[in-house]
Amino acid sequence: DVKVTQSSRYLVKRTGEKVFLECVQDMDHENMFWYRQDPGLGLRLIYFSYDVKMKEKGDIPEGYSVSREKKERFSLILESASTNQTSMYLCASSTKGGGPSYEQYFGPGTRLTVT
Amino acid sequence: GEDVEQSLFLSVREGDSSVINCTYTDSSSTYLYWYKQEPGAGLQLLTYIFSNMDMKQDQRLTVLLNKKDKHLSLRIADTQTGDSAIYFCAETLGVTSGTYKYIFGTGTRLKVLA
Repeated sequence: DVKVTQSSRYLVKRTGEKVFLECVQDMDHENMFWYRQDPGLGLRLIYFSYDVKMKEKGDIPEGYSVSREKKERFSLILESASTNQTSMYLCASSTKGGGPSYEQYFGPGTRLTVT
Repeated sequence: GEDVEQSLFLSVREGDSSVINCTYTDSSSTYLYWYKQEPGAGLQLLTYIFSNMDMKQDQRLTVLLNKKDKHLSLRIADTQTGDSAIYFCAETLGVTSGTYKYIFGTGTRLKVLA
């Protein structure tokens, strides 16, 4: 059974703290993605990685960085958390390439609150 | 630019049909997708359609594609309370690294009334 796990379901942090969100997949997928989900805005891509140590900016990378040192693990880092980063964060993984088999597998999400 | 739009809410009675609509912008998308997000969970692929098809049926689900108008719809027949969820349409876009990224719509929250 395919699995994407995220380190926390709920997280509360203070403004200015450095925050790490971890994602692990067990499907040997090349691609991994970080999204944030906000009501009325859908899913917005923050960063993605298509190979170990490789990354590309998504649509809203400001205030975030990522790290992929191992194929199965993709970390999202908030260098200095701000209240406007309060959101649901979703991690996903997929194989390379397009087509119908290009399904993204999602983790359950981390609801981050920055106070 | 890349934009996928959906209405935010839909409410139907149990047993009725639900129709969720989506408009997309990238006419080069080869496949278009519908994902479902149940409460407290991540998204799961529901179905997809190849861009040279007009319609695809999969049990209670019917996907209609109007490529000229860039309009995609998902019809759920005999809607059940378990269908209550957020539904996202999505298209893929090739990126410079040779891989593909998804462009997701805003999501439609379907509420099924018993």
